[in-house]
Amino acid sequence: KQEVTQIPAALSVPEGENLVLNCSFTDSAIYNLQWFRQDPGKGLTSLLLIQSSQREQTSGRLNASLDKSSGRSTLYIAASQPGDSATYLCAVRRGAGGTSYGKLTFGQGTILTVHP
Amino acid sequence: KAGVTQTPRYLIKTRGQQVTLSCSPISGHRSVSWYQQTPGQGLQFLFEYFSETQRNKGNFPGRFSGRQFSNSRSEMNVSTLELGDSALYLCASSLGQGAFMNTEAFFGQGTRLTVV
Repeated sequence: KQEVTQIPAALSVPEGENLVLNCSFTDSAIYNLQWFRQDPGKGLTSLLLIQSSQREQTSGRLNASLDKSSGRSTLYIAASQPGDSATYLCAVRRGAGGTSYGKLTFGQGTILTVHP
Repeated sequence: KAGVTQTPRYLIKTRGQQVTLSCSPISGHRSVSWYQQTPGQGLQFLFEYFSETQRNKGNFPGRFSGRQFSNSRSEMNVSTLELGDSALYLCASSLGQGAFMNTEAFFGQGTRLTVV
C-alpha cells in the first residue's frame, strides 16, 4: 500500500526566504507525481506535474525534483511571498510499464505561512 | 476555459438522508475522480470514472456510489448519511489517457457537506 509523507507539517518563514518542502513515498512504482496548493476552504490548484522518468520540473519561482528510486520529491520555492501562504500537498499516481492508474495518493500536506 | 465545476458548494443534511453531488469536468476531459477530505484522514480516493465506466474504486462502503454521463459530467451519491460523512468532497478531471501529461488532475472548489 502506497504511503506518502510530507515534512515538515508546518513551516513559518519571513518573506523573501527560499524554502524546501519534502515529500516521500513508499512504493516507487509511480506513474507521476503532482504538487498542489490548497487555500483554506478551497479546492486544489495544480502547481507541477512530474513524470516518473523526469528529474525535475520548473514553473516560475517553483522547482520540483523527483528521485523515484529513493522515493523522494522536493518542492523548492524561491523568494517566498505572503501570497504563497497555503497548504502544499504532494500526490503520487500509481502506474507501471507506461500505464497509469487513476488513483492519486496524497500526503497530509505542509502548512506554509510566509509573514511580511 | 472553464474549470471544474462542483455543485452545490455547501450542503447541510440530517443523519439517514441521502445526498447527490455533481461535478462538471473541464471541456474535453473524460476522466473524473472523487475524493473525500477530512481533517483527520486527509484526502482519500473514492472512485474514478472514464467514458462512463468506473475504472477504480477506493475503500469506502457501498453507501458511496457514483456515475458518469455521456457528456462526462459525474455525480456521486451517499445514502444513509452518517455524522462521519461530513467532509469536503472534491472532484478532479483529467484528459485520462495518452501522454503522461494527460493525467494531470484539475480540481474543483469542492462541496462542503455537513451531516447533523
